[in-house]
Amino acid sequence: EAQVTQNPRYLITVTGKKLTVTCSQNMNHEYMSWYRQDPGLGLRQIYYSMNVEVTDKGDVPEGYKVSRKEKRNFPLILESPSPNQTSLYFCASSLRTGRTEAFFGQGTRLTVV
Amino acid sequence: AQTVTQSQPEMSVQEAETVTLSCTYDTSENNYYLFWYKQPPSRQMILVIRQEAYKQQNATENRFSVNFQKAAKSFSLKISDSQLGDTAMYFCAFMKQWTGGTSYGKLTFGQGTILTVHP
Repeated sequence: EAQVTQNPRYLITVTGKKLTVTCSQNMNHEYMSWYRQDPGLGLRQIYYSMNVEVTDKGDVPEGYKVSRKEKRNFPLILESPSPNQTSLYFCASSLRTGRTEAFFGQGTRLTVV
Repeated sequence: AQTVTQSQPEMSVQEAETVTLSCTYDTSENNYYLFWYKQPPSRQMILVIRQEAYKQQNATENRFSVNFQKAAKSFSLKISDSQLGDTAMYFCAFMKQWTGGTSYGKLTFGQGTILTVHP
């Protein structure tokens, strides 16, 4: 089954404790990205990757890191989380051409206290 | 930069009736895609319908159809014969079409519209 797998689904952490949210896709998609969803703001792009070892900032990259060492995986790293990073996070992947709609992971509800 | 605006924070409809969700966007691009995504309480983002800007014909998927007005930069979603399972947040989104170069794939979302279908 074609899917984007994101873990964990829920996470509560304390300020400053490093964490990683994993994302993996099995569709051989070139493009992967991370979004955060906040009430009244829709989803905003944090970071994206157009292929292995190619990553770049989205609209709200501060406080986040990513890496793309393999085509299927695109983890999101919060090295020192702060309460303003409490949000709902989504990983997504898509093709460059053809059927370009994004496939989304199940979402990660992160709370930083 | 692109912007997408959904001016209806909340909508409600009776089961079996028709409802239209509004979306406008702003872009200087000529080649792009527009999408409607549904987010039920499970939080999963589900693609409802997709429209290529170069196609004049409006996309349809069963009970879902769009009214795409390229000149007006408007992309509304019509849901016919509404069902209780249609209750969800709906997001309109824009994606620039890849025409070479390094820029593609980013989705720009509207703020979302919460749709409630009443029995």
